[in-house]
Amino acid sequence: DAEITQSPRHKITETGRQVTLACHQTWNHNNMFWYRQDLGHGLRLIHYSYGVQDTNKGEVSDGYSVSRSNTEDLPLTLESAASSQTSVYFCASSTGTGGPGELFFGEGSRLTVL
Amino acid sequence: GQQVMQIPQYQHVQEGEDFTTYCNSSTTLSNIQWYKQRPGGHPVFLIQLVKSGEVKKQKRLTFQFGEAKKNSSLHITATQTTDVGTYFCAGSGSGYALNFGKGTSLLVTP
Repeated sequence: DAEITQSPRHKITETGRQVTLACHQTWNHNNMFWYRQDLGHGLRLIHYSYGVQDTNKGEVSDGYSVSRSNTEDLPLTLESAASSQTSVYFCASSTGTGGPGELFFGEGSRLTVL
Repeated sequence: GQQVMQIPQYQHVQEGEDFTTYCNSSTTLSNIQWYKQRPGGHPVFLIQLVKSGEVKKQKRLTFQFGEAKKNSSLHITATQTTDVGTYFCAGSGSGYALNFGKGTSLLVTP
């Protein structure tokens, strides 16, 4: 069955370190998204991509970057982790032909920055 | 930028009572979607509404999209303990990126 997987599921890191969260989907979806979820803030969009070599900034993109070298993967990189980036990160994908379409979410990656 | 506001933030009901969550956007939306997230889980798609004034039903759940396409609601009739979770609305304008509301956390007491 097609799926979307995130890794690692849990990560503890130190302030200033570079961290990369992986997201891999096997639906061949064009659209991929990264959200962070914090208590009281719901889901906030970090970055998104509509296809290979396409990336766009979302609402809270500062301190994060993404790259889309193939259809299946959209890794999220924190160049220099900060305590404010402690959060649960969700990757999602959609077909998005003619509209946003249903988002399929991964299981989430819980990141703690000490 | 586009903002999606959702109320209430929390709702605690007795099993069998009805529940409604409301979503309002500062701008006209091309469509609105609803998701449910169980505690410890990930958001799961419930439905998408695209037409002005649209009403859709899924068993005990009724979804509405306002005439001006700026507001929406989710109504659950006769809640059950399996309805526990956080319900999110998410809207998009001209693009495919969805902006989520902060969600309504529903607690159902038996």
